[in-house]
Amino acid sequence: AQSVAQPEDQVNVAEGNPLTVKCTYSVSGNPYLFWYVQYPNRGLQFLLKYITGDNLVKGSYGFEAEFNKSQTSFHLKKPSALVSDSALYFCAVRDRMNRDDKIIFGKGTRLHILP
Amino acid sequence: EAQVTQNPRYLITVTGKKLTVTCSQNMNHEYMSWYRQDPGLGLRQIYYSMNVEVTDKGDVPEGYKVSRKEKRNFPLILESPSPNQTSLYFCASSPRRSGASHNEQFFGPGTRLTVL
Repeated sequence: AQSVAQPEDQVNVAEGNPLTVKCTYSVSGNPYLFWYVQYPNRGLQFLLKYITGDNLVKGSYGFEAEFNKSQTSFHLKKPSALVSDSALYFCAVRDRMNRDDKIIFGKGTRLHILP
Repeated sequence: EAQVTQNPRYLITVTGKKLTVTCSQNMNHEYMSWYRQDPGLGLRQIYYSMNVEVTDKGDVPEGYKVSRKEKRNFPLILESPSPNQTSLYFCASSPRRSGASHNEQFFGPGTRLTVL
């Protein structure tokens, strides 16, 4: 069975500081991993994904994420946070071995960037 | 503009009164899915469809029905809504070729449902 965990309900970061939003996963095979962002009163928007190859993935709005197979993690990072990055962030995983295309989302991490 | 639309955006109803939330996408995507979002529980998949006339249960299908008669539409039906179905619902779509998909999903704006 596949699962994904976001261990922090909320992360507070001062503007201009680096930010990290944590995600760990569990799949029986190899994963496809995704990050989505949700701004207030909006649907989720895709940020970035890991398929294969380079472990460091770059995405929208200056975000990046590092796939670490040994630690089964896919943490979201940004070198310098902006107040406009304040939002709810979701990590999601698909198991490549599953032909049913099921996707599992984490519970979300609320990111507060303090001016 | 490529988009996923949902209607209605807001709905207040009473227990037992059948309702349908529509979802439509104009991107010719094979895969469509319904989620509910609840505080502390994140996003949970209700039903999904990998193509026309193909639907499968997600993690929380009880109390819901779906149909996929056309590629662009994927309505969510609550035959007899109950208060525990009060939630924020999202429809999503993505292209799909075969096997597990690495394609990202496009989400609709959400439907906030309250069942009294």
